[in-house]
Amino acid sequence: QITLKESGPTLVKPTQTLTLTCTFSGFSLSTSGVGVGWIRQPPGQALEWLALIYWNDDKLYSPSLKSRLTITKDTSKNQVVLTMTNMDPVDTATYYCAHTDDSSGDRYFDYWGQGTLVTVSS
Amino acid sequence: QSVLTQPPSVSGAPGQRVTISCTGSSSNIGAGYDVHWYQQLPGTAPKLLIYGSSNWPSGVPDRFSGSKSGTSASLAITGLQAEDEADYYCQSYDSSLSGWVFGGGTKLTVL
Repeated sequence: QITLKESGPTLVKPTQTLTLTCTFSGFSLSTSGVGVGWIRQPPGQALEWLALIYWNDDKLYSPSLKSRLTITKDTSKNQVVLTMTNMDPVDTATYYCAHTDDSSGDRYFDYWGQGTLVTVSS
Repeated sequence: QSVLTQPPSVSGAPGQRVTISCTGSSSNIGAGYDVHWYQQLPGTAPKLLIYGSSNWPSGVPDRFSGSKSGTSASLAITGLQAEDEADYYCQSYDSSLSGWVFGGGTKLTVL
């Protein structure tokens, strides 16, 4: 059974750096094709893909946010960490992590965490 | 502005059939990348509904179906039920962005 759970601060100040951790179980991030991604959703708005890290440490970033994002993995701890610098109130959103396995060639998220709401305010 | 375009809302009466469109471009759907659909019930995380344009994950009823043609895709829901009231998102991969892209979402209201 695959599960993912996001953790991190619920409130950050403008200009601060956000660090979110995704702790997962039921799969290994050292298995070929497996990846973990981050997606966010501002209140009442659409989903926005942020970043993805694969089993082989390949990393993808949203072009619009690439300069502010860093994604890393700790395979031994079953964790993926996302950092976002220079936070702004417009970054207020629910942040989700999700599992993918593109060994079949398809690229979709089949398991999602419950999400964590991050508010950016002074 | 989302890379994939969806209608903001659709509605239908119980038992009816509704469709939700997802329009992309030559760098995503038109390039042959599959379209995937997610259902997001109020206050919950998105759930995979259709993958590979027309395949069902385990547990998803066959009232939901997907199709793709050219630079567009569609999600059809037949036998509409009250519990289908949710937001629906399409998703694909974009080669020019080298990343994953979502639609703007469609709110389904069951009348």
